[in-house]
Amino acid sequence: EIVLTQSPGTLSLSPGQSATLSCRASQRVTSFFLAWYQQKPGQAPRLLISGASSRAAGIPDRFSGSGSGTDFTLTISRLEPEDFAVYYCQQYAQSVTFGGGTKVE
Amino acid sequence: QITLRESGPALVKPTQTLTLTCSFSGFFLTTTGAGVAWLRQPPGKALQWLATIHWDDDKGFNPSLANRLTITKDTAKNQVVLTMTNMDPVDTGTYFCVHAWSYYYENSGYHTWFDPWGQGTLVTVSS
Repeated sequence: EIVLTQSPGTLSLSPGQSATLSCRASQRVTSFFLAWYQQKPGQAPRLLISGASSRAAGIPDRFSGSGSGTDFTLTISRLEPEDFAVYYCQQYAQSVTFGGGTKVE
Repeated sequence: QITLRESGPALVKPTQTLTLTCSFSGFFLTTTGAGVAWLRQPPGKALQWLATIHWDDDKGFNPSLANRLTITKDTAKNQVVLTMTNMDPVDTGTYFCVHAWSYYYENSGYHTWFDPWGQGTLVTVSS
């Protein structure tokens, strides 16, 4: 099983700042099969990024994904008030697993 | 527009079997490439994938839960049903029905990500 470790657990920032979220895999994630989701309290998750770097429909361009192999990054430039949430990475190279999440507060 | 809605009991007793139904619209599970998945989230914890069923009736299960899970589809009703046997209090959480997007490769099968999600249904396991 591919284990995903997200860091940091919590990121304390202010609106207008940039956020850099890390997702590290225990094994190589082939073919960039990595997705990122945003979840706000009391809501279902929302897809932000698939294929490591492809933004989903309607996702603002301040969200960007990068990385390959075992190290992936979600960057949020110029944080807006609605971006404060929990973010999860998911790999789909081997079965499906999720990271433990990063809270942006 | 794709929408999904979960339905099922809010409370189940330990050792009972949970049955959840996902009713969806905006796509057909007879269309090549379509899929529906179930995921869950214990209170305050991370997401966990449970199972996926694809348009061709191919199914995938979380290895740690596979012996407790069944997933079926009713294409005439646009519904997917998940059953989980031998429920335990640790199974308490919000269960999500989700549209699955996939790539398929002959040598490795389906590779799936999830969008959009249903609103989720809270299931509590308690006597």
